[in-house]
Amino acid sequence: DADVTQTPRNRITKTGKRIMLECSQTKGHDRMYWYRQDPGLGLRLIYYSFDVKDINKGEISDGYSVSRQAQAKFSLSLESAIPNQTALYFCATSTNYGYTFGSGTRLTVV
Amino acid sequence: SQKIEQNSEALNIQEGKTATLTCNYTNYSPAYLQWYRQDPGRGPVFLLLIRENEKEKRKERLKVTFDTTLKQSLFHITASQPADSATYLCALDDNAGNMLTFGGGTRLMVKP
Repeated sequence: DADVTQTPRNRITKTGKRIMLECSQTKGHDRMYWYRQDPGLGLRLIYYSFDVKDINKGEISDGYSVSRQAQAKFSLSLESAIPNQTALYFCATSTNYGYTFGSGTRLTVV
Repeated sequence: SQKIEQNSEALNIQEGKTATLTCNYTNYSPAYLQWYRQDPGRGPVFLLLIRENEKEKRKERLKVTFDTTLKQSLFHITASQPADSATYLCALDDNAGNMLTFGGGTRLMVKP
């Protein structure tokens, strides 16, 4: 099993719909992150969490929310999806020595 | 504003040669810098971390340098192979240990 698992791998949704992307990790790390990646813009941080009771906004949190249900689970929600949220989304965990990323969720909002 | 710059143009080299990728940054005072490899449609994979008080770090065919005066890191792959073809990302911490900011990446193509 992968250390960081993201579901779904691909999703097409309509404008205005609520959608949740899920992430679970088996590494036992406290720190978890959500990034989005767009061509030419690199990875940008949406939200991060350092433990179950800790949630912090990243660079581009508008239009997104997160929930840290347990140490191993960190979900990202788009309350009302819009086309410019079409992107590749990555979840990650970290220690002081590097990040471990999931395989990503490719989200298309039509 | 803070900025991390990597050459957005692809780097094409011949198998067996040394590939050198550059990461420049402004308005950062990072405690450490990291390099990642990313294959198409996949998540980045951690390669190396170098701290501000380290000038150079090696791992197998990889070498990273970190010059905090020039605000630059160089990433070298020696004896490059076609399997090294990928996008390579550099990332800097915010010096509070809270999060990494990534550069846009440089695509490396190694031709047989």
